[in-house]
Amino acid sequence: GAGVSQSPRYKVAKRGQDVALRCDPISGHVSLFWYQQALGQGPEFLTYFQNEAQLDKSGLPSDRFFAERPEGSVSTLKIQRTQQEDSAVYLCASSLEGFTGELFFGEGSRLTVL
Amino acid sequence: AQSVTQPDIHITVSEGASLELRCNYSYGATPYLFWYVQSPGQGLQLLLKYFSGDTLVQGIKGFEAEFKRSQSSFNLRKPSVHWSDAAEYFCAVGTGGYQKVTFGTGTKLQVIP
Repeated sequence: GAGVSQSPRYKVAKRGQDVALRCDPISGHVSLFWYQQALGQGPEFLTYFQNEAQLDKSGLPSDRFFAERPEGSVSTLKIQRTQQEDSAVYLCASSLEGFTGELFFGEGSRLTVL
Repeated sequence: AQSVTQPDIHITVSEGASLELRCNYSYGATPYLFWYVQSPGQGLQLLLKYFSGDTLVQGIKGFEAEFKRSQSSFNLRKPSVHWSDAAEYFCAVGTGGYQKVTFGTGTKLQVIP
């Protein structure tokens, strides 16, 4: 596609529910990142994929968070047993293989946990 | 670990006035520095980046930034602000490699007529 596509754009979940957020990166982009942006804050790194390999998951806040990219394209961020503190915008970004210096971001998925 | 400080949470400027947004970073090696802009409901868009070479870099939409190693700063400037520049601006530092980028907390720019 022309840009990074994320769905759903908005998600309201009751505390304890599981949610899945999808990211469709720019075609041909090998690198994929997930960031979490809380209200009034800058994006915080969650995890990084190179193709289907998850090379860095140091930013995932707990074991309730899980990300996958099984075929090296679309990625899913799953949050189990959601808590109120999980409320944030989840941003996906992709970039070309190698070091290009530019991340292309999607519009984000806004998660509200009640 | 690298970090970024944007000391101004909110800035208001008049349309046509000049703009400078401050950014200070902390990183032990040569940093890779970026400015991103986020308009309401939009994804972040890269304005400009610094890797090496000329310390004054030009970006899109008439923005420029100057890398000052001695001050650990990478301030963003624009000589004449337009109403459409109202947005939130994020400074970021990368470590190279696969580009793990650390963002600042952002500066929200308001432009008044």
